[in-house]
Amino acid sequence: LAKTTQPISMDSYEGQEVNITCSHNNIATNDYITWYQQFPSQGPRFIIQGYKTKVTNEVASLFIPADRKSSTLSLPRVSLSDTAVYYCLVGDPLGSSASKIIFGSGTRLSIRP
Amino acid sequence: GAGVSQSPRYKVAKRGQDVALRCDPISGHVSLFWYQQALGQGPEFLTYFQNEAQLDKSGLPSDRFFAERPEGSVSTLKIQRTQQEDSAVYLCASSVLSSGANVLTFGAGSRLTVL
Repeated sequence: LAKTTQPISMDSYEGQEVNITCSHNNIATNDYITWYQQFPSQGPRFIIQGYKTKVTNEVASLFIPADRKSSTLSLPRVSLSDTAVYYCLVGDPLGSSASKIIFGSGTRLSIRP
Repeated sequence: GAGVSQSPRYKVAKRGQDVALRCDPISGHVSLFWYQQALGQGPEFLTYFQNEAQLDKSGLPSDRFFAERPEGSVSTLKIQRTQQEDSAVYLCASSVLSSGANVLTFGAGSRLTVL
């Protein structure tokens, strides 16, 4: 199973760049890395997904080193509304074993004014 | 619909009662997942459907939990003889492809409180 390890919590301030790193030492060749964001009383929401190097969208960037044993979610210029729990997941998008997708406890990000 | 819809949003049950939680996935999404999320924890996998077929139910905690998706769209999670430890948020998610590693769209969840 491709288990992930993330910091339990992080604090930052409005306007700062926040980087959350996830370790996934047992990532398999076909596995992709996906990040979700969850606000209180809501279901998780997809942020970004990548396989290698760098992926960027309108919300975040995802940096993946060559060995793919870790990844970093980068949130530019955070605001108070970015306060949420962030989950890193690994798995094969074309695979069929849904139960191997493990959310873990996530990283609780708190943004202060 | 535009998103995944779950009902009821909140359910209070007395211990021993049966409950049914409904999920309306995004139209055309092949896969449907149920997760259980305890307070302060990440979602934990319960079961997975591909169309009407339940391909994985390894996460269901006991035989009191039952899920169905008879026509490959709407799904119902049923919990019989509820216990206090069943109190949690039950999340439903759907995706276009047949894997949870694909992009999942979650509903807002159904919060179950068992007294």
